[in-house]
Amino acid sequence: DAMVIQNPRYQVTQFGKPVTLSCSQTLNHNVMYWYQQKSSQAPKLLFHYYDKDFNNEADTPDNFQSRRPNTSFCFLDIRSPGLGDAAMYLCATKPGQAGETQYFGPGTRLLVL
Amino acid sequence: SQKIEQNSEALNIQEGKTATLTCNYTNYSPAYLQWYRQDPGRGPVFLLLIRENEKEKRKERLKVTFDTTLKQSLFHITASQPADSATYLCARGGSQGNLIFGKGTKLSVKP
Repeated sequence: DAMVIQNPRYQVTQFGKPVTLSCSQTLNHNVMYWYQQKSSQAPKLLFHYYDKDFNNEADTPDNFQSRRPNTSFCFLDIRSPGLGDAAMYLCATKPGQAGETQYFGPGTRLLVL
Repeated sequence: SQKIEQNSEALNIQEGKTATLTCNYTNYSPAYLQWYRQDPGRGPVFLLLIRENEKEKRKERLKVTFDTTLKQSLFHITASQPADSATYLCARGGSQGNLIFGKGTKLSVKP
């Protein structure tokens, strides 16, 4: 019954070691978002896709990349994680640009040692 | 700058009482505001959306109001239960169709 799935739920990596987080959806939504949420803070947009069109937020670090090979899947790659990248990473979807409500996955908690 | 603020970080209430959470916005007029619930270690879950031309929206024990004069939305949970304990996030729409969230209010309902 799960609609937006994120794997893994918890990820531990070492400082500087590349890591990939994944998101999949069964909703067939056009739009997918990646948000970063640090402890006791609001979720902050990193980037989003409308179909295959990629949009990067101006203040998203170059260290963060994303791939969307098809409608269902989206990946977040962190090339060289720093201690400051430890956070919850949330994937969200919505049907189209004009839609308002977003459907979030359970998140991946990233720990950088 | 355009801000959305939830000034109370935490709210503690007794079971059975009404919880009232506040969301304020400045320097713009949002077409709508949304409220989400977030449990520890989980993603936000959509609860209610209210548009600028709507005064009030209800869903079961939840009620949201939108006051464009005060630039404020209030979120009420009536007959609160310990299971309502969570962080509640207010959000407005961003230029990319994304959500811009307040920091949230952590609600604790004591039995």
